[in-house]
Amino acid sequence: DAGVIQSPRHEVTEMGQEVTLRCKPISGHNSLFWYRQTMMRGLELLIYFNNNVPIDDSGMPEDRFSAKMPNASFSTLKIQPSEPRDSAVYFCASSPRDVSNQPQHFGDGTRLSIL
Amino acid sequence: ILNVEQSPQSLHVQEGDSTNFTCSFPSSNFYALHWYRWETAKSPEALFVMTLNGDEKKKGRISATLNTKEGYSYLYIKGSQPEDSATYLCASPRNNNAGNMLTFGGGTRLMVKP
Repeated sequence: DAGVIQSPRHEVTEMGQEVTLRCKPISGHNSLFWYRQTMMRGLELLIYFNNNVPIDDSGMPEDRFSAKMPNASFSTLKIQPSEPRDSAVYFCASSPRDVSNQPQHFGDGTRLSIL
Repeated sequence: ILNVEQSPQSLHVQEGDSTNFTCSFPSSNFYALHWYRWETAKSPEALFVMTLNGDEKKKGRISATLNTKEGYSYLYIKGSQPEDSATYLCASPRNNNAGNMLTFGGGTRLMVKP
């Protein structure tokens, strides 16, 4: 049974470039989450979708960040233009239903380095 | 914003020792408490989701208890093994209208020496 699939696993790019991170949630899961992990702030929720609709994007750091979920099996997180301070590990997670007693299933993450 | 705190931040134990650590959260408007295990260079993996006061859950040598009235949960590891070395995260939903939006604690990093 495939878990949450993220791509790419690693991305190194120069500042100013556009970066697109991709996520395929577990089939049948209707909630999807994007997180960012940094040494300073730990694991931060960026945005949360339910049934493909963005519910809360209050964690998105600034307008350079955007996320979409065009269908139930695909989501993207885009940074444009990228800056060195965006360097972090970005995780996508999904859960079966939008209720608080459902565990979240995490992908392997994308390690992003902006030079 | 919900305040979820974990202690200690890090813990070193010898193989075979039993250990425990704490997650504290606001006791008002409680919905659920999640525990995750996060090995270095991997992704967080769900251990337990607990919802009822007095809940106790067990998976192998790892168990957890929940006290919603006083706002804490303990995670216990019996007879620690080197493969238990990981960061253990707890998390709680922000509010009932937030569905499964979680606020994570800072984690307890456990290192088990052989």
